[in-house]
Amino acid sequence: EVQLLESGGGLVQPGGSLRLSCAASGFTFSSYAMSWVRQAPGKGLEWVSAISGSGGSTYYADSVKGRFTISRDNSKNTLYLEMNSLRAEDTAVYYCAKAQGPYAVRYAFDIWGQGTMVTVSS
Amino acid sequence: DIVMTQTPLSLSVTPGQPASISCKSSQSLLYSDGKTYLYWYLQKPGQSPQLLIYEVSSRFSGVPDRFSGSGSGTDFTLKISRVEAEDVGVYYCMQGIHLPSTFGPGTKVDIK
Repeated sequence: EVQLLESGGGLVQPGGSLRLSCAASGFTFSSYAMSWVRQAPGKGLEWVSAISGSGGSTYYADSVKGRFTISRDNSKNTLYLEMNSLRAEDTAVYYCAKAQGPYAVRYAFDIWGQGTMVTVSS
Repeated sequence: DIVMTQTPLSLSVTPGQPASISCKSSQSLLYSDGKTYLYWYLQKPGQSPQLLIYEVSSRFSGVPDRFSGSGSGTDFTLKISRVEAEDVGVYYCMQGIHLPSTFGPGTKVDIK
């Protein structure tokens, strides 16, 4: 069964850091681009970051550029999101999502994880 | 960035009746390869989003054929031929032609 399982969310103070992980199973992880998409409480979906299947290309929303870093370990079938300088507006459920192909653009997200909640508050 | 808009933002439907959601993009989603990169997702209450339709009109694996997508360029439509109780939730369109990928605001569908 194709599955994505996020972890690493929690409560962090403004200015703090957090690292999210997404463990993949049931498919050839390195063959597919991956993204992080977030959803603030009661709000819609916002794309955050993407990485190609090889890991050689990374992309970020302007709202997180310079603060968040996406990476992947294809030997461990795991996607990461390193989040620094966190702000209250980063509070959201963070989903990892698998693309239908190896590139970060022009492929739908066909599999989503269950999400992990990040709360930035003092 | 490409802006996605949806109408209506909420919809109340009688079971067995059809429903339609419109999605418009601020730029054409037709790429030079001839494909149009417009997707539809459904987020059921308390769940993660799930892919319904990709490239305007292709149903994802396991999606019932009562769901259909159509449109071109900047105007798109998701239709449910006969709404069932399990179809409640928020429907999002998303463009994938250029990064950043952007979503519409969502259309909340509930049952009368």
